[in-house]
This record gives sequence, structure tokens and C-alpha cells, in this order.
Amino acid sequence: GQSLEQPSEVTAVEGAIVQINCTYQTSGFYGLSWYQQHDGGAPTFLSYNGLDGLEETGRFSSFLSRSDSYGYLLLQELQMKDSASYFCAVKRDSGNTPLVFGKGTRLSVIA
Amino acid sequence: DVKVTQSSRYLVKRTGEKVFLECVQDMDHENMFWYRQDPGLGLRLIYFSYDVKMKEKGDIPEGYSVSREKKERFSLILESASTNQTSMYLCASTTAGGYYEQYFGPGTRLTVT
Repeated sequence: GQSLEQPSEVTAVEGAIVQINCTYQTSGFYGLSWYQQHDGGAPTFLSYNGLDGLEETGRFSSFLSRSDSYGYLLLQELQMKDSASYFCAVKRDSGNTPLVFGKGTRLSVIA
Repeated sequence: DVKVTQSSRYLVKRTGEKVFLECVQDMDHENMFWYRQDPGLGLRLIYFSYDVKMKEKGDIPEGYSVSREKKERFSLILESASTNQTSMYLCASTTAGGYYEQYFGPGTRLTVT
């Protein structure tokens, strides 16, 4: 089967840094994506890691280690608007195989 | 601007009714997907399509069917709605090579009574 593990909930203080981890066990691995979903909204794409290492996009960064089957999303200078659910998703191959999503991490940013 | 639209934000149906959920994308994307989202279970893939008139089962296809007669439109059909199909339904699309970046519609919250 396919398995993506991420914490169900994380709480962090405004202005701080938070890391959301994702560990995967899938039949094949091509890359790791991250999505953000606010309450009542649609998931939106944040980042993609096809290679090991860190990808930075503004306050958000994403990291991948293929050897450890592990990745994380790093959010810096947290803002209240970052309160949302965050999903990791594995792309298993380069073809038409759908993403496998984790169950999501609910991030609450508090003052 | 990229856009995926779904026919309804909220829908209430009775048990046994046939239900149609429509999804339209204006990005000329080849691939389209239907998910359901339930608390604590994340996004679960129902069906997907990588071309017109093509469809593939996802993880939870039972009780659902789909139709894709035109490239921009992907319909999800509940042949005989049941209460356990009460859920948020999300449609998504992506280009043929861009599976990692999916564009989602706003969702349809379906309640079956």
C-alpha cells in the first residue's frame, strides 16, 4: 500500500518558524509536493521537490531526502493567515499515476 | 487566470437519488480528478481521467461513476446516493506532465439525507 505520515496538528506562535514533516512509503517515488488548504477553501499548490535538498519560495521552504524517504515544509515568520491545513503528496512516477496525498497537518498560529 | 469551477458549492439530496457533480476547467488540461475529503481522512481519489472518454479508478470508486465527453468537463455521478456519501467533493486538473501541481475547484459539499 501507499503510506504518507504527517502530524495531524501543529501549533506555533506568530513570527516563529515551524516545520511540518512528511514520511512516505510508496511503490515508487518521483517527487514530493506540498499543498495548503484554508478552512472552506480549495487546496492550493505550494512547492515541489524532485531532487534532494531545499527549495525556497519566499517564507516557505520545502526539503527532500530520498534516502530517508522524508521531506518537510518549513514556514518562517509565521503569520496568522498561515493557519491552514498542509498536505504532502507523492508523485510516484513520471507517467500518468495520480498523486498520493497525506492526511494533512492542521497548523494553528497563535498570537 | 487558471480556473476550475464546480457546479454547486452546496447540495442536499435524498437517499437513492441520482446525483451529478460537474467540473469545468478552462486551462486546456489533459488530466482531471475527483476526490472526496472527509475529516481526518485527507483527500481520497475517486476517479481520474487523462484524456477525453478515458477514465481510471482511484482508491474509492465504489458507488461512483464518471463521464468525460469533452476535454474541459469531468462529471462525477452518484448512481444511487447514500448517506455515507455525504462529503466534500473536490475536482482538480493538471497538464499531462504536471501531475505534481494540481489546480483544485472550490468544492461541493454534498449532504445526503
